[in-house]
Amino acid sequence: GAVVSQHPSWVICKSGTSVKIECRSLDFQATTMFWYRQFPKQSLMLMATSNEGSKATYEQGVEKDKFLINHASLTLSTLTVTSAHPEDSSFYICSANTDSSTGELFFGEGSRLTVL
Amino acid sequence: GQNIDQPTEMTATEGAIVQINCTYQTSGFNGLFWYQQHAGEAPTFLSYNVLDGLEEKGRFSSFLSRSKGYSYLLLKELQMKDSASYLCAVPGGSGGYNKLIFGAGTRLAVHP
Repeated sequence: GAVVSQHPSWVICKSGTSVKIECRSLDFQATTMFWYRQFPKQSLMLMATSNEGSKATYEQGVEKDKFLINHASLTLSTLTVTSAHPEDSSFYICSANTDSSTGELFFGEGSRLTVL
Repeated sequence: GQNIDQPTEMTATEGAIVQINCTYQTSGFNGLFWYQQHAGEAPTFLSYNVLDGLEEKGRFSSFLSRSKGYSYLLLKELQMKDSASYLCAVPGGSGGYNKLIFGAGTRLAVHP
């Protein structure tokens, strides 16, 4: 299967600072990547769709100015959590799909953010 | 829009069989996915159903009935390592065929 790599795996930051999470497709090109957020014991909630070379599409209720997404190449999307606060502490997971007809998503390892 | 329902928690005994149900309502249908997620890890793909019927893959099988908006994941010969959350997901509407919308997940605990 396709490989998606995410970095960092975990990060601790102070309230008010910004944190950048990278998502890379290692062995395929991804024109579209998806960013999910998962709080403890809850399911994955789609935050936004990252589109290579254009603006991201955000889900309802997700602040685009707080969660900045950049998809500058076919293998890299970044999510920046700006002015992070403790309530932003969560597990952030990116995903991408190849062009297969099934639409199966391949997930990165996830990044656990803790804001103090 | 999409709406997905699955039980929150289930328990089972090692070696037994367990069935995890999922009901869904979608504005269009482009298949249904099952993913497994261990605590603190990313989800891993288990199955994809687009036609009615049972798809068997080793100890795991997945069933779909499009007319009933119903699917189930069947796990046989349960092992301790099967303790995980099982997520039912469907592609999200007009926003993108590959934009998966997940159910809340079913946390399965396998006991000796």
